[in-house]
Amino acid sequence: DAGVIQSPRHEVTEMGQEVTLRCKPISGHNSLFWYRQTMMRGLELLIYFNNNVPIDDSGMPEDRFSAKMPNASFSTLKIQPSEPRDSAVYFCASSSDRGFTGELFFGEGSRLTVL
Amino acid sequence: GNSVTQMEGPVTLSEEAFLTINCTYTATGYPSLFWYVQYPGEGLQLLLKATKADDKGSNKGFEATYRKETTSFHLEKGSVQVSDSAVYFCALTRGGADGLTFGKGTHLIIQP
Repeated sequence: DAGVIQSPRHEVTEMGQEVTLRCKPISGHNSLFWYRQTMMRGLELLIYFNNNVPIDDSGMPEDRFSAKMPNASFSTLKIQPSEPRDSAVYFCASSSDRGFTGELFFGEGSRLTVL
Repeated sequence: GNSVTQMEGPVTLSEEAFLTINCTYTATGYPSLFWYVQYPGEGLQLLLKATKADDKGSNKGFEATYRKETTSFHLEKGSVQVSDSAVYFCALTRGGADGLTFGKGTHLIIQP
């Protein structure tokens, strides 16, 4: 079975450019999470969707970040404009929704470098 | 709010050594507890879990016991291998819309 699929795996861009990260959750999963991982701050939850609806976006750092889930099989995380401090690995994870039990399935991550 | 505290890394051990990675938590009610593992270049994957007090989760030779009296969920393995080198994350949830709260992770390095 296919796991969570993220693209791109690596992105190098210049400050001020728009960045779009993509995620395809596991089929049948209807909870989706975006996390950011850095050495300094560890793993941070950015936003959590349930049935395509954002439930908790309190972790989104600022207005430069936005996330959408137009359907059950696709989500995007957009940064506009990007800044060097956004450099991190961004993970997408999904979960089946039978009352969230804590088991998340992670993608391999998108490593973003903003110069 | 919920929080998870793990021992700082890196933890460096020789092959076949005994491993303990400490984890303590703060949460109201009765959370479920988890250990996730992240191998180099990969996403996190669930290693083991425990959903109520005194439960023991186990997988791949790793064990952790849910200790409510000490609010702890320490990870142990009797004899580590080089292939166990990874970053280990302790986490908790109370379920529903609570989401999953992770610790900062502990980098484990096993030397041959």
